[in-house]
Amino acid sequence: AQKITQTQPGMFVQEKEAVTLDCTYDTSDQSYGLFWYKQPSSGEMIFLIYQGSYDEQNATEGRYSLNFQKARKSANLVISASQLGDSAMYFCATCPGTYKYIFGTGTRLKVLA
Amino acid sequence: EPEVTQTPSHQVTQMGQEVILRCVPISNHLYFYWYRQILGQKVEFLVSFYNNEISEKSEIFDDQFSVERPDGSNFTLKIRSTKLEDSAMYFCASTRWNRATGNTIYFGEGSWLTVV
Repeated sequence: AQKITQTQPGMFVQEKEAVTLDCTYDTSDQSYGLFWYKQPSSGEMIFLIYQGSYDEQNATEGRYSLNFQKARKSANLVISASQLGDSAMYFCATCPGTYKYIFGTGTRLKVLA
Repeated sequence: EPEVTQTPSHQVTQMGQEVILRCVPISNHLYFYWYRQILGQKVEFLVSFYNNEISEKSEIFDDQFSVERPDGSNFTLKIRSTKLEDSAMYFCASTRWNRATGNTIYFGEGSWLTVV
């Protein structure tokens, strides 16, 4: 069965520093997507970044990049130049097909001034 | 920018009452979903819907739950007889595959359901 593991329940980072949020996945599918979402305290789920399993280059989206290591089945999110507004819950997810996403338990990030 | 919209944003209901949560997915999307998130926990899949029928559902999505796309724009989740443990945030989401974002799903802002 597909599974996402986020081993860091909480992280702190100093403002303007970079931070890496870990995510490992387990899937037997050859084709799958990997995603990161941000959930601020207001509750909405905000899409951040997508990586396809066949994409050879790491995805980047502004200050977000996804460090994709296929052999290790990891899809870590890197946030560069952290801002106070980055404080939120971050969820990693995979979608082996179109019908069903599987989420990790999330990492709560706190950016310190 | 197109977005998924959900109503109501918050609903309080008595145990045993029926609840309908409404969603308007992004207009050219083809796949629709309901997820829920119990306070402080992870996001859980409930059901996916494509071509006017359920594609997949989780074990949470029992006979008390149903979904419907009554017209070309709305997508609803009905809980027939609510239980205390149904209290959660319910997210509607939709997607359409494209090369740039794959099958990224876009979430609505959620409907907080409190069962008392």
